[in-house]
Amino acid sequence: GEEVAQTPKHLVRGEGQKAKLYCAPIKGHSYVFWYQQVLKNEFKFLISFQNENVFDETGMPKERFSAKCLPNSPCSLEIQATKLEDSAVYFCASSQFTRSNEQFFGPGTRLTVL
Amino acid sequence: AQKVTQAQTEISVVEKEDVTLDCVYETRDTTYYLFWYKQPPSGELVFLIRRNSFDEQNEISGRYSWNFQKSTSSFNFTITASQVVDSAVYFCALSGRLTGGGNKLTFGTGTQLKVEL
Repeated sequence: GEEVAQTPKHLVRGEGQKAKLYCAPIKGHSYVFWYQQVLKNEFKFLISFQNENVFDETGMPKERFSAKCLPNSPCSLEIQATKLEDSAVYFCASSQFTRSNEQFFGPGTRLTVL
Repeated sequence: AQKVTQAQTEISVVEKEDVTLDCVYETRDTTYYLFWYKQPPSGELVFLIRRNSFDEQNEISGRYSWNFQKSTSSFNFTITASQVVDSAVYFCALSGRLTGGGNKLTFGTGTQLKVEL
């Protein structure tokens, strides 16, 4: 598609439950990024993919967080055993294989952990 | 390490005033990219501009203009004749150069701009 699509728009989970977020990058884009926005101002990079391969995972919490980008499927970000501090908006972005590094963002998924 | 500083947390102006949002960055890369994004109250991130480190020309797009100064590591954003619709949080971001497009963005903490009638 022409835009990055993210589902669901909102997700509410009780503490300890699993949360799974999905992202469909723009068709033809090779790179997918996940960012976490906490408290409306702080963006934290989580992980990036080049096609289905992990490119940079330096921002991923070692425990509970995992992500995949499989061929012909939306990318996913999964949080096992959610905690209150996981409440945030999770943005997915994609970029083409160019040197311009322009990333196009999806509308985000708001995760609320109760 | 990369760092982006937006020292102005919140700015309030009256409509039609000009306003400048400051952005100072730190990077060891010799080739890097700077960005501005707008986040309106609806929450989405809207791309405004990209500038690479080799192009220090200032840019104007309608009421928006950007001043890139490598000597002071700054990439400031000016809105001329502000309007209520400009009310949003504005983020400055930086990425370094690796092969291809797989560079994560380092964001500043944003500047909340409120434009009042």
